[in-house]
Amino acid sequence: NAGVTQTPKFRVLKTGQSMTLLCAQDMNHEYMYWYRQDPGMGLRLIHYSVGEGTTAKGEVPDGYNVSRLKKQNFLLGLESAAPSQTSVYFCASSYPELATDTQYFGPGTRLTVL
Amino acid sequence: AQKVTQAQTEISVVEKEDVTLDCVYETRDTTYYLFWYKQPPSGELVFLIRRNSFDEQNEISGRYSWNFQKSTSSFNFTITASQVVDSAVYFCALTGGGADGLTFGKGTHLIIQP
Repeated sequence: NAGVTQTPKFRVLKTGQSMTLLCAQDMNHEYMYWYRQDPGMGLRLIHYSVGEGTTAKGEVPDGYNVSRLKKQNFLLGLESAAPSQTSVYFCASSYPELATDTQYFGPGTRLTVL
Repeated sequence: AQKVTQAQTEISVVEKEDVTLDCVYETRDTTYYLFWYKQPPSGELVFLIRRNSFDEQNEISGRYSWNFQKSTSSFNFTITASQVVDSAVYFCALTGGGADGLTFGKGTHLIIQP
């Protein structure tokens, strides 16, 4: 049971390049999330998904797209990377129980945009 | 809108001292959930505790304890007899439940000196 995994762990992009971050979970969780962490800002929600084929915007969605084609995977895309997107990206997943369940986080992807 | 305030940016104590990390929150939800996460130097986010708004019982887990007070909208975290391994950034977070993402505080960097 690997929990939540993220690929890649590190990446350096040039301004204008595109890339996709992959999040995978093997806990059969319904909900998945993408956050970004910037120094002194805590974590902020980019997009989330409540199930296969569904996505929704979070607090800071601009410049990102997401897709959830399979229940276990949640992809975050940057179509044209900008230096402002330099950040650490965390994926999380949770399962809706009687009350809101705990979000479990992946190890993070450190992205630098030059 | 929800808000989480961790006023202590950085705390430094000597090993074996007790230390309390403060968390104050704002929400209009009548039901909500509070969390603490630990982020050690390795960068991953480790879940520590979840507290429901309708359960004001304090909790103790080993050297860790949490004091939830709805009257002051606070959810403080105390480490007793701190150890060097407790050195990390600690985040307090809040959600209204369901598929809502977490609203994080900016974190408190805890340094335990030997």
